Parts: sequence; C-alpha cells; structure tokens
Amino acid sequence: GNSVTQMEGPVTLSEEAFLTINCTYTATGYPSLFWYVQYPGEGLQLLLKATKADDKGSNKGFEATYRKETTSFHLEKGSVQVSDSAVYFCALSRGGKLIFGQGTELSVKP
Amino acid sequence: EPEVTQTPSHQVTQMGQEVILRCVPISNHLYFYWYRQILGQKVEFLVSFYNNEISEKSEIFDDQFSVERPDGSNFTLKIRSTKLEDSAMYFCASSEVASGTDTQYFGPGTRLTVL
Repeated sequence: GNSVTQMEGPVTLSEEAFLTINCTYTATGYPSLFWYVQYPGEGLQLLLKATKADDKGSNKGFEATYRKETTSFHLEKGSVQVSDSAVYFCALSRGGKLIFGQGTELSVKP
Repeated sequence: EPEVTQTPSHQVTQMGQEVILRCVPISNHLYFYWYRQILGQKVEFLVSFYNNEISEKSEIFDDQFSVERPDGSNFTLKIRSTKLEDSAMYFCASSEVASGTDTQYFGPGTRLTVL
C-alpha cells in the first residue's frame, strides 16, 4: 500500500543550525510529494512540493528533492530560525487524496 | 490571500450526540476534503467530495459520517452519534482540481472532544 514514514521527533536545534528531516515513502507509480507545516494553533500550510523524480521543491529557505531511487523526500534548511518552530508533515498524493507521515516537531532555541 | 475557514474551533459534545462541523472552502475550488488527526497520530484522509457527490472515502468514514454542501459556500461533516474515539482534530481542505499534483489548502481545524 501507500505510506509515508518520517523521522521521529521532537527535534531540537539551536538557531542557525542545519536542519534535515527525513521522509521516505512507499507507493505504486510516481506520486507527487509534499511538505506541509503546522505552526502552533494554525492549520496545515503547504511548504513545498515536487511532482516528478529529481524535482526540487523550495520555499522560505527550505528544500527537498524527489529521489525515486531511494524513495525519499528529505526536508533541509541551511540555517533555521526560532520562527521555524512547528510540526512538519511529509505527504504523498494518490488520486487527489493526501497520505501523511506522522509529523516531526521542530523546536528551535535562540 | 483566500483561505479555508472552519467553525467552531473547538466543539465539546456528549457521547451519542450529533455534531456538525462546518467549513467554507476557497471560493473557486471544486474539490473538498475532510481529514482528521487523533492526538499523537497521523493526519488521516476521511472523504473527498466533488460535484455534490462523494468521490472517495476511507474505511474510517462509516455510516455514522456524512458530508454535505448545503449551499454555494459551506461544506459540512456530520457525525450522527459520536463515540469517544471520534475525539480528534478535524481538518477541511479544498483544491481547484483533484489531480495528484494540485495543492490542497487546509483550514485551521476543529478540535472535537467527545465526553
């Protein structure tokens, strides 16, 4: 079946540290891949997406590359800020519905 | 920027009662969805809706659940007789099309607490 696995949280980093949140997927065919972010008290917001293999999605300094060979879509940011503290969800799209990973909580300390 | 809105933000109900969760999707969107997140668990797909019909539903979406677009703007999720295990955050989402590449825009969620 289709599924998404994310690294366990919470992840705690100091400001300006490098961030990687791992995401791997299992799916038939080539789904589109997404990262959503949920800030405290808010809904899910699209952070970035990639629709085919080797595509790189990017937004607000975050990047993720669709790797078909490793079935991965890891989220990276070179220098995190306190304002990046949130829960990050990796997801794949099958027929219009989203299948989510379990979410990774990121806490950035000044 | 257009956004999806949901009301109420928090609903507390007694087991066995009916609840209706409301959503206003983005105005030019044609596809609507409900997801839920039980505390500490994954966000799970419940149902998708297009052209006044259910397009797809998950195994969670049993006969206790129903969806409706009662007018041109609202999209509702009804739980007929709530159970304790229905306690969760419920998210509404909408998209322009239902292709796998299209972005779904989410509302802030309704936290449902069943006592």
